[in-house]
Order: sequence, then structure tokens, then C-alpha cells
Amino acid sequence: GDSVTQTEGLVTVTEGLPVKLNCTYQTTYLTIAFFWYVQYLNEAPQVLLKSSTDNKRTEHQGFHATLHKSSSSFHLQKSSAQLSDSALYYCALKGTNAYKVIFGKGTHLHVLP
Amino acid sequence: EAAVTQSPRNKVAVTGGKVTLSCNQTNNHNNMYWYRQDTGHGLRLIHYSYGAGSTEKGDIPDGYKASRPSQENFSLILELATPSQTSVYFCASGVQGNYAEQFFGPGTRLTVL
Repeated sequence: GDSVTQTEGLVTVTEGLPVKLNCTYQTTYLTIAFFWYVQYLNEAPQVLLKSSTDNKRTEHQGFHATLHKSSSSFHLQKSSAQLSDSALYYCALKGTNAYKVIFGKGTHLHVLP
Repeated sequence: EAAVTQSPRNKVAVTGGKVTLSCNQTNNHNNMYWYRQDTGHGLRLIHYSYGAGSTEKGDIPDGYKASRPSQENFSLILELATPSQTSVYFCASGVQGNYAEQFFGPGTRLTVL
């Protein structure tokens, strides 16, 4: 079946340093879109960025991700982490005409001062 | 204005009691979803709907029913609540198309004693 794997449950980084959240997937869909959702404390998840184009970098709010179908990955990166980036991040995929979104289990990002 | 709203925001129920969680959306989206969020499990899909009158089982439907009486409203019903159903519940809406994101409500924190 289709699945999304986020290997780290918690990532801790010092403010100003780069951060990378890993996301890999398995899918049988031929056409897919990928999302990173961010959930701040006591808030709802919301889309941070999304992509469906292989090898194209997508950026939003200082974060970037590139879909690599060759390695089945859609890692989230930021060059300089901010305290306000502390949140729960979900990687997700959606297949063409599918009703369901497949979510990973989420990675907590904790940015230290 | 918030496009997806949930009520109640907090609920304490007794074991064996009936609980109804309500969701309303003004996005005019065909698809609506109910998730529960638990530490270590992320977002898990309970039920979803692709239009008024339809309900479909998600990944963890046991112990839950759903009702979609209209385009705007989608309810989650726990006929016999159990302590294992203590969780945070999120409603979301979305449209078809693989690039379409989901829009989440603010969540309902349910405690079953």
C-alpha cells in the first residue's frame, strides 16, 4: 500500500543553524502531489508547501523541498532555523483523483535559542 | 473568517455515553474528513465523505460513525464512548485533484472518563 515515512519523531536544532526533516514514500499512484503541513502548538495543521514536479525546488516561508522520484523523497529544509519554526511537521502525499491523503507520523521540530 | 469550524472545542464524556462532534465548512468543498491525532501516531483518518449523503470508512473506523446531511456539515458520532477514544479530533475539507490541499478545523479535545 501507499505510505509516507518520517524517520525522526523529534529534531532539535539551535537557532540559526540549518535543519532538514526527512520524508520518504512508497506509492502505486502514477501521478502524485506532495505536501508539507505545519502545526503550531494548539493550532490546526496548515499547508506549508506543496509540489508535484520531479526535481523542482519549491519554497515558502524560508523552507524548501524538492521532490525526487528517483529516491522517493521529499525532504524539508531550511538554511537558518528560527525559534518560531518550532512546530509539528507532517509530510503527506495525494494521488490523482484520490479522496484520501496519506500522512506521515509527523516530526516535532524544536529550535533552541 | 474561519472556513472550517468545529464544535464543541472541548468535551468531557463518560464511558458508555454518546458523543457527537460537529464540523461545518464554508469552503463549498465536496470532500470532508475526520481525523484523530495522537502522539506517536500522527493524523489517522476515521471517516470521510465525498458529498452530501455519503460516508466512507477511513483507516480506523471501528467505534465511530459519521453523518453528512449537507454539503456544509459532517458529524462524527461515538455511540458508546471508551477511554481509548480520548484524543484530539480534527475535521478537514478539500476538493478533488491531486494538487488540492486539505483545510483543517481548529480541533476538538475529547476526554472520555
